[in-house]
Amino acid sequence: SQQGEEDPQALSIQEGENATMNCSYKTSINNLQWYRQNSGRGLVHLILIRSNEREKHSGRLRVTLDTSKKSSSLLITASRAADTASYFCATGGWGAQKLVFGQGTRLTINP
Amino acid sequence: EAQVTQNPRYLITVTGKKLTVTCSQNMNHEYMSWYRQDPGLGLRQIYYSMNVEVTDKGDVPEGYKVSRKEKRNFPLILESPSPNQTSLYFCASGLTGTSWNEQYFGPGTRLTVT
Repeated sequence: SQQGEEDPQALSIQEGENATMNCSYKTSINNLQWYRQNSGRGLVHLILIRSNEREKHSGRLRVTLDTSKKSSSLLITASRAADTASYFCATGGWGAQKLVFGQGTRLTINP
Repeated sequence: EAQVTQNPRYLITVTGKKLTVTCSQNMNHEYMSWYRQDPGLGLRQIYYSMNVEVTDKGDVPEGYKVSRKEKRNFPLILESPSPNQTSLYFCASGLTGTSWNEQYFGPGTRLTVT
């Protein structure tokens, strides 16, 4: 069952611009995580935000969480070519021992 | 170096020939899990383990088996592979016996069943 739905499915921007990706989910969560995947490779954890948090920063990453709207956004500032990858949100539910992943946003940074 | 390793990385096999994909982590993590990734379907959990000798089904367990005899290892067994199990497989581990912490993913195993 896919809980996270991401928007847009694909995003292409110029290097240096900011990239924003959105994630919506359906049920109550304990935490929401963002991962990056370079083509066909393993996922790399970026940031985790808990349900009682509203915003979190890590380097050029900013994540917001709105539990009333069941949505989250990931902002990457000052994008670089190396940011080209697919980005996934994943939700961890109360009691559920699994992460449920969205379909991902494919981000392309053009030089 | 803290990591999750998987072997093999690539495998082409035939229908019905039993195979095992190994997964090992060196971070003393309690929680381990297996996912498969398919185009249009995303990542789906196959099985997970909260600790040694504790395993449970994920969303798509049919056709797979797992075991957790040691904390560091969590092999995925396909007793009789079929073409619909052609996929990219990922093993992951996390600190505690839940999915509430960041997960560390292996590099993936690309399996083709003909």
